[in-house]
Amino acid sequence: QKEVEQNSGPLSVPEGAIASLNCTYSDRGSQSFFWYRQYSGKSPELIMFIYSNGDKEDGRFTAQLNKASQYVSLLIRDSQPSDSATYLCAVKEAAGGSYIPTFGRGTSLIVHP
Amino acid sequence: NAGVTQTPKFRILKIGQSMTLQCTQDMNHNYMYWYRQDPGMGLKLIYYSVGAGITDKGEVPNGYNVSRSTTEDFPLRLELAAPSQTSVYFCASSDRSRGEAFFGQGTRLTVV
Repeated sequence: QKEVEQNSGPLSVPEGAIASLNCTYSDRGSQSFFWYRQYSGKSPELIMFIYSNGDKEDGRFTAQLNKASQYVSLLIRDSQPSDSATYLCAVKEAAGGSYIPTFGRGTSLIVHP
Repeated sequence: NAGVTQTPKFRILKIGQSMTLQCTQDMNHNYMYWYRQDPGMGLKLIYYSVGAGITDKGEVPNGYNVSRSTTEDFPLRLELAAPSQTSVYFCASSDRSRGEAFFGQGTRLTVV
């Protein structure tokens, strides 16, 4: 069974710091990787996706992928209290395989002023 | 630009009652999913569909049924509600090629 592992946290960082969220996955056939943000009582919303090894930057967010180590991470620079939420990692197989994303349990991030 | 729309947002059921959670999407996505999320837990897949007329079980299908008669709609039926079905339910859809899922607002269901 495909597994996606995340530390449940909470990860607590001061405002302005870099928050680093990590995710490992078990299926070497995985090709697409997603980060969702979920505020308390709300639905998950996509914030980043990455398909290739290396870094992908979007504003204050950087996704990092290392397929050899089966590891994907999300860095949030200049963290703000509004970034406080649960961050879900999701993984999807390559074309021809299952298109069903597998989600981790999420990491709770708290950014304190 | 509605995206994925779920109804109702909240519902209280008595044990043994039945109900249908409605889900519709206007993005012409082939894939649709139903997840449940318990407090402090991740998303558990209940059922999914890869297109109209095709459905399949996910990780936790017991006590639920689905149908997919059109591309847009993917209702989830709860038969004989039990307290263990108290949860937040999310419907989602995705495009075949890209794969990122778009979620509805969620339905908070309490079975008493």
